Amino acid sequence: AQSVTQPDIHITVSEGASLELRCNYSYGATPYLFWYVQSPGQGLQLLLKYFSGDTLVQGIKGFEAEFKRSQSSFNLRKPSVHWSDAAEYFCAVGGGNTDKLIFGTGTRLQVFP
Amino acid sequence: GAVVSQHPSWVICKSGTSVKIECRSLDFQATTMFWYRQFPKQSLMLMATSNEGSKATYEQGVEKDKFLINHASLTLSTLTVTSAHPEDSSFYICSARGTGGRSPLHFGNGTRLTVT
Repeated sequence: AQSVTQPDIHITVSEGASLELRCNYSYGATPYLFWYVQSPGQGLQLLLKYFSGDTLVQGIKGFEAEFKRSQSSFNLRKPSVHWSDAAEYFCAVGGGNTDKLIFGTGTRLQVFP
Repeated sequence: GAVVSQHPSWVICKSGTSVKIECRSLDFQATTMFWYRQFPKQSLMLMATSNEGSKATYEQGVEKDKFLINHASLTLSTLTVTSAHPEDSSFYICSARGTGGRSPLHFGNGTRLTVT
């Protein structure tokens, strides 16, 4: 079955600390992987995506993610978190046409000063 | 960058009435649009896929007669919640994909529907 798992429901970090949000997927074909961020009451903003090629992808706002096929993971990282990064983060997987995305349940990030 | 506009951003309606939500792609043509529903503190669930000029494709368990979708042009898709009930209260988000290959999905800012 196709699915996305984000094991961490809620993460709290101090401003300036490093961050890693976990994402594991189950997908029958070559996956296209995405990370989106959602602020309260807002839609989703694409942070980064992986289609093929270099397994370390760079996104906006200083985020990066690494695709590890052997671990079926696509973890999101940021070396130094800012207070404005507090939001809900969703990992998603899709197929070749990137149409139907399957979303994880999200990880809520809280940042303390 | 590509922008998807969703309107209204929030709406309150009485039980039994219908509500229409619009989703527009502002600077690109969207052959396909998607409607998602998000319950509080939960993930997004795909409701239906809207294709310009043809009938929408609904996901299993989504009532097509209750959630009417129209995609009359390459820049506009509408979702009408008919005979709304309190259990339809939710956050509805649309997304659109451009006509180019491997185009990522762009999301609207969502519509908070409250049915009283």
